[in-house]
Amino acid sequence: EAGVAQSPRYKIIEKRQSVAFWCNPISGHATLYWYQQILGQGPKLLIQFQNNGVVDDSQLPKDRFSAERLKGVDSTLKIQPAKLEDSAVYLCASSLEGLSSYNSPLHFGNGTRLTVT
Amino acid sequence: DAKTTQPNSMESNEEEPVHLPCNHSTISGTDYIHWYRQLPSQGPEYVIHGLTSNVNNRMASLAIAEDRKSSTLILHRATLRDAAVYYCILGSNYKLTFGKGTLLTVNP
Repeated sequence: EAGVAQSPRYKIIEKRQSVAFWCNPISGHATLYWYQQILGQGPKLLIQFQNNGVVDDSQLPKDRFSAERLKGVDSTLKIQPAKLEDSAVYLCASSLEGLSSYNSPLHFGNGTRLTVT
Repeated sequence: DAKTTQPNSMESNEEEPVHLPCNHSTISGTDYIHWYRQLPSQGPEYVIHGLTSNVNNRMASLAIAEDRKSSTLILHRATLRDAAVYYCILGSNYKLTFGKGTLLTVNP
């Protein structure tokens, strides 16, 4: 099966600019996640979708970050305006059965590396 | 979220078994124990998960203590491709909270 696709692979922007990341999950996967991974740390969950509804966005900085999942498939994560501390790898993941199943592992993409200068 | 404690780093030699420990003394009865690994410049990859019983799959084995306060990921024969950061995670409502993990170095 095709894996989780993310683009772009790399992005360099100046602070206060805006940026968007795109994710295409594995076909048929109900749950989609966005994680932020700062260098040297483990991934931190930003937002979790079940189909096209948000189930957890408690750690999403909503003053500057937004995410949507239209039609329960693709998703975009946007940052506006970016700050220096947003420099990180942004990982998208999907899972088949979502919240109701513990037997549905997460499949991650290779991420987008964002550098804010 | 319940926390896990892992060594920051471990070393192994190629073709030898590797035992990666994880302590989770505050685990609740419904928490599954998940292991993921992350190779350089890649996203995390699922390795194995379990609840109470030991588990085996093609990648690894998971040994869970009887009181569930600790677990061990076992790689039976380490290869250079197993060099990665290994994360032990307690899953609740399928929300996975990653720690810093254990950096495994495999020596040829």
